[in-house]
Amino acid sequence: DAKTTQPPSMDCAEGRAANLPCNHSTISGNEYVYWYRQIHSQGPQYIIHGLKNNETNEMASLIITEDRKSSTLILPHATLRDTAVYYCIVRVYNQGGKLIFGQGTELSVKP
Amino acid sequence: GAVVSQHPSWVICKSGTSVKIECRSLDFQATTMFWYRQFPKQSLMLMATSNEGSKATYEQGVEKDKFLINHASLTLSTLTVTSAHPEDSSFYICSARVMVGFSYEQYFGPGTRLTVT
Repeated sequence: DAKTTQPPSMDCAEGRAANLPCNHSTISGNEYVYWYRQIHSQGPQYIIHGLKNNETNEMASLIITEDRKSSTLILPHATLRDTAVYYCIVRVYNQGGKLIFGQGTELSVKP
Repeated sequence: GAVVSQHPSWVICKSGTSVKIECRSLDFQATTMFWYRQFPKQSLMLMATSNEGSKATYEQGVEKDKFLINHASLTLSTLTVTSAHPEDSSFYICSARVMVGFSYEQYFGPGTRLTVT
């Protein structure tokens, strides 16, 4: 079973920041948080991952709370092409590091 | 990011026949590859984990004799759906993992849509 909880859907205005929350209250100390997104009928696209520090790359920023029980993915300037299902995944360390997908958040970016 | 390819991107086959799907990591070597299945409007479901040169490990409920996985090299894994039936129609997605520093990076292929008639 997935170790994360995400809202099923969110809307965001084009050009604004999209903040996608994720709860992972049972995360262990050595388990990473990964974010992927899936545009309709395509394979998931890697966005970012982190352990305890905040991370930023060309696509997004990942903010992890100090207790590591939740995180937020930030798309700083959402575009229509960011419309997708976003998955927050905790890599399960003691199961060979598998990525187990939950239901994700369906983000709709509107003009 | 690294590129993972799948072939074919879609396939239609008749019930009772077998279908082979290839997954390749194009610009990196992957010691571990994964196979997922996705039904319409559902999330990805992990089917199996394969390590180069060893037998695949299947998730609970996945028939290993029906879904044959071969991981012959560090850049190629294949999934063969044997004696396919209409209920096997699905979107099959492979993924390849590589260690970068102290953590893993895992990349997904574009998927293969299988339709069994």
